[in-house]
Parts: sequence; C-alpha cells; structure tokens
Amino acid sequence: QQKVQQSPESLIVPEGAMTSLNCTFSDSASQYFAWYRQHSGKAPKALMSIFSNGEKEEGRFTIHLNKASLHFSLHIRDSQPSDSALYLCAVSQASSSFSKLVFGQGTSLSVVP
Amino acid sequence: GPKVLQIPSHQIIDMGQMVTLNCDPVSNHLYFYWYKQILGQQMEFLVNFYNGKVMEKSKLFKDQFSVERPDGSYFTLKIQPTALEDSAVYFCASSSDRGDTEVFFGKGTRLTVV
Repeated sequence: QQKVQQSPESLIVPEGAMTSLNCTFSDSASQYFAWYRQHSGKAPKALMSIFSNGEKEEGRFTIHLNKASLHFSLHIRDSQPSDSALYLCAVSQASSSFSKLVFGQGTSLSVVP
Repeated sequence: GPKVLQIPSHQIIDMGQMVTLNCDPVSNHLYFYWYKQILGQQMEFLVNFYNGKVMEKSKLFKDQFSVERPDGSYFTLKIQPTALEDSAVYFCASSSDRGDTEVFFGKGTRLTVV
C-alpha cells in the first residue's frame, strides 16, 4: 500500500527566503506527482505536477522529482507572506490524475515579514 | 476559476441517523471523487465515480456508504446509518475527461456524529 510522507511538518521562513518542502513515496510504480496548497478555510488547490524525472519551474515555484530515490520536492523562491498555507503532496499510480491520489499529511508553512 | 461547491459546510448528526453530503462539481466535469480526512490525519481517498458508476473505492468506503449523481444534479455521498468514526471532513472533487488535468476540490463538509 502506497505510503506518502512529508517533511518537515511545519516551517517558518522569513520573507524573501527559499523554502524547500519534501515528499517521499513508497510505490516505485507511481507515475503522477503533485503539490496542492490549502489556505486556511479554503479548498486544496493544485499548484504543480510532474510525471517524469527532473525539474519543472513555474514562476517562483520549482518541482523536482527523483523516482529512483522515491522523492520529490517543492521549492519556493522569494517566499511571500501570501505563500503561508498548508502544502500537500499527492501521488498517483495512474498516468493521469483520474486515479486515486494518495496524500501526505501536509507541511504547514508560515512566511513572516 | 472553476469551483466545487459543497453543502453544507458543517453538519451535526445523531449516531445511527442517515446523512447526505452534497457536492456541486465543476460544470462539464465527468469524474467525481470523495475523500475523507479525520482530524489530524491525512486526506484519504474514498471513491471515484464516472458515467453513473463507482469506478474504484477504498476500504474506507464501507457498506453504509453510497454515492450517486441523479440526472446531472448534485453528486452525493450518503451514509446510512452513521457511526461515531464517520466524524471527519469530507472533500468532494471533480476532474474533466482529458489527460494531464488537475483535480478540483471543494472546501469540505465537516461531519460530526454525536
């Protein structure tokens, strides 16, 4: 059974810093990897996703996947107070997000001015 | 952007009673999901639904649970009868039938069984 673990559980960073969030998974057959962000009282919203090994950058956000290490990460450059939220990583075995997503327990990020 | 609406946001119900959680998915989406999150734990997949049928369900989807979307109306999760361990936040989600697409989640319904 797929196990997805996130680290750290919580993180406080100063505004402008680089933030790195980590996610490990147990099933090497996993094919779809995503990060969701959930602001307090709001719905989880997809932030970025990746299928293949390597990196993908969108603005201040970079997702990095290393399937051999069963690890992927999210890096936020120039962190802003508006980035403060709960970050959830999610993994799916299917090549699309139609299949069930297995979520991590979340990393609570606070960016302080 | 596209929104999934869940009604109500919070419901309190007596153990043994029936409860129906309602979800208004993104229009023209065809795949629907329910996830369950017990306080302090990870959000866990319950079931996905397409073309009027359950496609896949987890072991959390007990016999007391059922889902339907009659005539393109709300996508519902019914629990009958409810048990104390059903207390959780239930998230509805939907996605289109295209590949490489994100799943849109609602804000969740907090169910408290007393």
